[in-house]
Amino acid sequence: GAVVSQHPSRVICKSGTSVKIECRSLDFQATTMFWYRQFPKKSLMLMATSNEGSKATYEQGVEKDKFLINHASLTLSTLTVTSAHPEDSSFYICSARGLAYNEQFFGPGTRLTVL
Amino acid sequence: LAKTTQPISMDSYEGQEVNITCSHNNIATNDYITWYQQFPSQGPRFIIQGYKTKVTNEVASLFIPADRKSSTLSLPRVSLSDTAVYYCLVGDRTGTASKLTFGTGTRLQVTL
Repeated sequence: GAVVSQHPSRVICKSGTSVKIECRSLDFQATTMFWYRQFPKKSLMLMATSNEGSKATYEQGVEKDKFLINHASLTLSTLTVTSAHPEDSSFYICSARGLAYNEQFFGPGTRLTVL
Repeated sequence: LAKTTQPISMDSYEGQEVNITCSHNNIATNDYITWYQQFPSQGPRFIIQGYKTKVTNEVASLFIPADRKSSTLSLPRVSLSDTAVYYCLVGDRTGTASKLTFGTGTRLQVTL
């Protein structure tokens, strides 16, 4: 199957700083990428959907100014958590889907800890 | 988006066959059923996908009755390494924006 990577795998930052997480499709072109967050022992919650070259579509209750998503190329999407606070600490997972595939491929996740 | 209902948890002994059933009563005509496996602190991993009847691959089988209002993931002869959370998802795979909504998942615990 196709491979999706995320960087960094874990990050610790101070409250008030911004953190950027990258999601890359390594061997296919991802027309659509999705961003999820997951709290301990909970299910994945979809945050936003992004299509290459257009603005992301955010799920209800997700602050678009807080979680900036950019999908500038067919292999890269970034999620920037702006002015992070401890309540933003979570496991962030991206997934990607290309026209040649029927399923979504998930990245390994990024553990964000805000102190 | 069709909502799914699964058992919260299941226990099994190593070597047994495990069947996890998922209900999706309002599945749409274009919807496919996909199962993912997730280990702690990892992203979900695709297991199997189907539309109707039976689908089998090297790791699992997926049984879908004619009305498609439920599906059953079958894991033959589980091992300790199959301990994970299993998610059943329903979504339209056509087009480029087929977003998936995760339900609670089923936490499978395999013991000796």
